[in-house]
Amino acid sequence: SAVISQKPSRDICQRGTSLTIQCQVDSQVTMMFWYRQQPGQSLTLIATANQGSEATYESGFVIDKFPISRPNLTFSTLTVSNMSPEDSSIYLCSVEEKGQASYTFGSGTRLTVV
Amino acid sequence: GQQLNQSPQSMFIQEGEDVSMNCTSSSIFNTWLWYKQDPGEGPVLLIALYKAGELTSNGRLTAQFGITRKDSFLNISASIPSDVGIYFCAGRTSGTYKYIFGTGTRLKVLA
Repeated sequence: SAVISQKPSRDICQRGTSLTIQCQVDSQVTMMFWYRQQPGQSLTLIATANQGSEATYESGFVIDKFPISRPNLTFSTLTVSNMSPEDSSIYLCSVEEKGQASYTFGSGTRLTVV
Repeated sequence: GQQLNQSPQSMFIQEGEDVSMNCTSSSIFNTWLWYKQDPGEGPVLLIALYKAGELTSNGRLTAQFGITRKDSFLNISASIPSDVGIYFCAGRTSGTYKYIFGTGTRLKVLA
């Protein structure tokens, strides 16, 4: 299965600032996703990152707050903008490889906003 | 967003005991997945199920796709300390690429 490298692994940020998280996959994949996992909670889909076009956002998530780029089939970024303490979460990149019906996850970015 | 109900929410067990957990949905799914998440890591796929009634094993783990297609079960036999973690189910209906994740079962094993 695909190997996903996610950076940074963790960060502590000041409120009002922005953080960009990178997701690099070792093979070309069709589907890439960004999830949020709030402390002690399950995984919530933020958006599907579409190669060469705007991401598809889930209800409750907007592009101004979580801009996403996907310039090619192996790389995507998620930016958490104008952060507040409520944004403190683990952010996870995941992919679905062609021919597989399951998701592979990166190790996540643990974000703390102070 | 929609979530699947997992039970139990958490459990403490003795090393060597068997563990059972389940996941239920109001929707019919055509795929069920079971993941384990260790602290500081992303979820790792344990077992994938594609057909109602399917029973699949991965070492000491066995998972079943419920015949109603609205539930799934995971069993861990002879638990060991490294089984500690959070177990998530995930389900997907036909016609969508998105998985819905369960609320998670937090497992703690007492040596």
